[in-house]
Amino acid sequence: NAGVTQTPKFQVLKTGQSMTLQCAQDMNHNSMYWYRQDPGMGLRLIYYSASEGTTDKGEVPNGYNVSRLNKREFSLRLESAAPSQTSVYFCASSGGHIMNTEAFFGQGTRLTVV
Amino acid sequence: AQSVAQPEDQVNVAEGNPLTVKCTYSVSGNPYLFWYVQYPNRGLQFLLKYITGDNLVKGSYGFEAEFNKSQTSFHLKKPSALVSDSALYFCAVRDPWDGGYNKLIFGAGTRLAVHP
Repeated sequence: NAGVTQTPKFQVLKTGQSMTLQCAQDMNHNSMYWYRQDPGMGLRLIYYSASEGTTDKGEVPNGYNVSRLNKREFSLRLESAAPSQTSVYFCASSGGHIMNTEAFFGQGTRLTVV
Repeated sequence: AQSVAQPEDQVNVAEGNPLTVKCTYSVSGNPYLFWYVQYPNRGLQFLLKYITGDNLVKGSYGFEAEFNKSQTSFHLKKPSALVSDSALYFCAVRDPWDGGYNKLIFGAGTRLAVHP
C-alpha cells in the first residue's frame, strides 16, 4: 500500500520553464490537496479537489494550475516558473467520511527555480 | 473563512517534563481539528484528530490534545517529553459544513525542541 506518491522528489528549473508535479493516491480518497511549505509560513494551500471533476483555489493559487485527472491523480502545473515558487510542495489526500477525514501526505517535491 | 494560529514559533522543554504546543482556530461552525508532525526532510504524519465527542483526544506516540470550544483552542500535550519528540508540529482545521469542499487549512507550525 503506497499511500500518496509524488514525483519528482527534486527539481531545478530555470525561470520561465514549465513543469508538472504528479501526485497519485491508492486509498480511494475523494479529496486531494496541493500545499507549498516555506520557512516560517507553514503549509499554504494552493489548490484542492473535493472530488473527481472539481477543483478549487486555495490560499495561494497564482502561478499554478491543477488537473484532477481521475480519482487517483491530481497534478500541479507551473506554466512559467518564477524564483518565488522555490519551495517544497506536498500533495495530500483524505476521505470524506468522518472516520477517515485525516489527510495523508506524500514525501514532497523540493523545487528550486533559478 | 477558516484559519489556524500557532502563536509560538518554537517551544523548548527538558526531557521528562510535560509539553504543550498551542493552537487556536477560527471556523464558523463546529470544526474538525488535527495535529500533524514533520521530521526533517519528511512528509507530514498524522498524530490525532478531534471530530466530536470527548474533548480530550489521544493519539500516536503518547500525545493528546484538548478541544476547548469556548476558547477555540486545540492544544497538543504530552505528559513526559522525549528527545525524539523534537520536530515540527502543525495544527490544521477543516470546516465540515463548507458545502463539501473539504478545505483543509494549516497553521504556520511550531518547532518543538526537547533537550536532554
